[in-house]
Amino acid sequence: KAGVTQTPRYLIKTRGQQVTLSCSPISGHRSVSWYQQTPGQGLQFLFEYFSETQRNKGNFPGRFSGRQFSNSRSEMNVSTLELGDSALYLCASRPQVGEQYFGPGTRLTVT
Amino acid sequence: EDQVTQSPEALRLQEGESSSLNCSYTVSGLRGLFWYRQDPGKGPEFLFTLYSAGEEKEKERLKATLTKKESFLHITAPKPEDSATYLCAVQSRSNDYKLSFGAGTTVTVRA
Repeated sequence: KAGVTQTPRYLIKTRGQQVTLSCSPISGHRSVSWYQQTPGQGLQFLFEYFSETQRNKGNFPGRFSGRQFSNSRSEMNVSTLELGDSALYLCASRPQVGEQYFGPGTRLTVT
Repeated sequence: EDQVTQSPEALRLQEGESSSLNCSYTVSGLRGLFWYRQDPGKGPEFLFTLYSAGEEKEKERLKATLTKKESFLHITAPKPEDSATYLCAVQSRSNDYKLSFGAGTTVTVRA
């Protein structure tokens, strides 16, 4: 079975711009979660989608948003980028219950 | 709020020198405790899920155990390819959509 895929793998943006990241979950997995990983804060939960609905959101500003499509693919958007948004953004998928499987991540650098 | 503390932060081992990593947790109703391995620049790779105190899981040179307050990841006779950051995460019954991660233990195994 193919794993979780994320595109792009690397991204460089300028402060004030916006960015969209994409995630394709493992086939059959309907839940997709997004995490931000930084050296200082570690892995932090952003939000989770299930059947095209955002079920939960972490403690991040409204600049961070996402959506899920009918084929379970998900996108995450960050508007008005700040230097502190530089991080590895990880997507994870799982069946309705069970462990989460992570993709390789998108490394975002904001200059 | 769920809390996860991992120790030590870093561990340097000689090939064949067994050791243990600790994960202490505070959670209101544990649904599951997860161990992941993360290599530099990659997403976390799932290793184990533990659900109740007394449970043990093994995979090659790794063995995970769980008590009511902590989990241990034992590495027996490690090899250089076991070098990675090992992450512990908990999932609570009240917030079963997300994982709360510890900061990780970076293990370096010298030949």
